[in-house]
Amino acid sequence: IQLTQSPSFLSASVGDRVTITCRASQGISSYLAWYQQKPGKAPKLLIYAASTLQSGVPSRFSGSGSGTEFTLTISSLQPEDFATYYCQQLNSYPLFGGGTKVEIK
Amino acid sequence: QVQLQESGPGLVKPSQTLSLTCTVSGGSISSGSYYWSWIRQPAGKGLEWIGRIYTSGSTNYNPSLKSRVTISVDTSKNQFSLKLSSVTAADTAVYYCAREGSYSNYAIDYWGQGTLVTVSS
Repeated sequence: IQLTQSPSFLSASVGDRVTITCRASQGISSYLAWYQQKPGKAPKLLIYAASTLQSGVPSRFSGSGSGTEFTLTISSLQPEDFATYYCQQLNSYPLFGGGTKVEIK
Repeated sequence: QVQLQESGPGLVKPSQTLSLTCTVSGGSISSGSYYWSWIRQPAGKGLEWIGRIYTSGSTNYNPSLKSRVTISVDTSKNQFSLKLSSVTAADTAVYYCAREGSYSNYAIDYWGQGTLVTVSS
């Protein structure tokens, strides 16, 4: 299974609605997670089972999709959200997408 | 609150074996339905899942690394370990230990801070 994230780079402003896509080369049901990583830090789990928000994660983050196409949406981008985001499939051996870097416009 | 901490040499010579240990605190490594995992990240690049171990001792490895990787667990010390043999410069990366929980379809809910391992003579 391969995971393709798009875009790989995203420039946005505070308050913008941001959507990141993750496509799997074959169906993985809802076995997908999303992580946020800031420079020099370990990734942080945002969403699992494609759409379940991890405890403590702000509600502006949401996930959707099943099968082969998934999205992570940030409804109103905040200054602390500028980071790199990774999807991860959990259907067979865990595999990460290539990442999407969200930078300030 | 579960905490994980990686330890081991920061410099390994080419062709040698990289060895890292992860110490788990704030909970028993034997309790609950968890996998204990290793992930790595070369500088400026993405994340690569290396492998994991269940408390029963069963393991899963990334097929691309399987021939060189061994993950083991020591429940008496609340630790698990990674050995990667025949290393090259391509194995230079930050190595993270982590926990995967059954409640989250085995997504990674806790991470260590990461440790940089450089492969160089």
